[in-house]
Amino acid sequence: KAGVTQTPRYLIKTRGQQVTLSCSPISGHRSVSWYQQTPGQGLQFLFEYFSETQRNKGNFPGRFSGRQFSNSRSEMNVSTLELGDSALYLCASSLGQGPPSWETQYFGPGTRLLVL
Amino acid sequence: QKEVEQNSGPLSVPEGAIASLNCTYSDRGSQSFFWYRQYSGKSPELIMSIYSNGDKEDGRFTAQLNKASQYVSLLIRDSQPSDSATYLCAVSSDSNYQLIWGAGTKLIIKP
Repeated sequence: KAGVTQTPRYLIKTRGQQVTLSCSPISGHRSVSWYQQTPGQGLQFLFEYFSETQRNKGNFPGRFSGRQFSNSRSEMNVSTLELGDSALYLCASSLGQGPPSWETQYFGPGTRLLVL
Repeated sequence: QKEVEQNSGPLSVPEGAIASLNCTYSDRGSQSFFWYRQYSGKSPELIMSIYSNGDKEDGRFTAQLNKASQYVSLLIRDSQPSDSATYLCAVSSDSNYQLIWGAGTKLIIKP
């Protein structure tokens, strides 16, 4: 079974631009979570989607948004990029059959975003 | 503010010894606890999950949970150089559709 895939893997943008990242979960997984990882900060939760609905959102500004499609694929968008948005963006999928807090999350390879 | 604390390290352990990684959490309602391993430049991968007080063993790995003291630990027996990585602790409760993550402990196994 194929793992979680993320595209693109690397991205360079300039301040003020916007970016869209894509995540395809493991086949059969319906829950997708997004995280931002920066050195020394650990994983910061962005949001989680299940059946095209956002179930929870972390403490990020409204510039960060996401959506999920009927095939469970998910995208996240960051508008008006700032230098501090440079990070590794990870998505993780899980089955979604029970409370997400109980399910194993499987991570994709991440998208490394550099904002200049 | 729900928090998960880990010693950032690096924690240096001789090959063949036991590595002990610790994690404390602030939310007493936490019910699910996970240890993930992340190699440099790679994404996290699950090592262990634990939900009940006590020990849970899987090969060379043992997770220990003490809800009264609000800590969870990971022991790695017979440490190997391939165990060198950052270990992330994640904690969750059923009230949240999210995991709260520690910043990770960098483990170095010296041959």
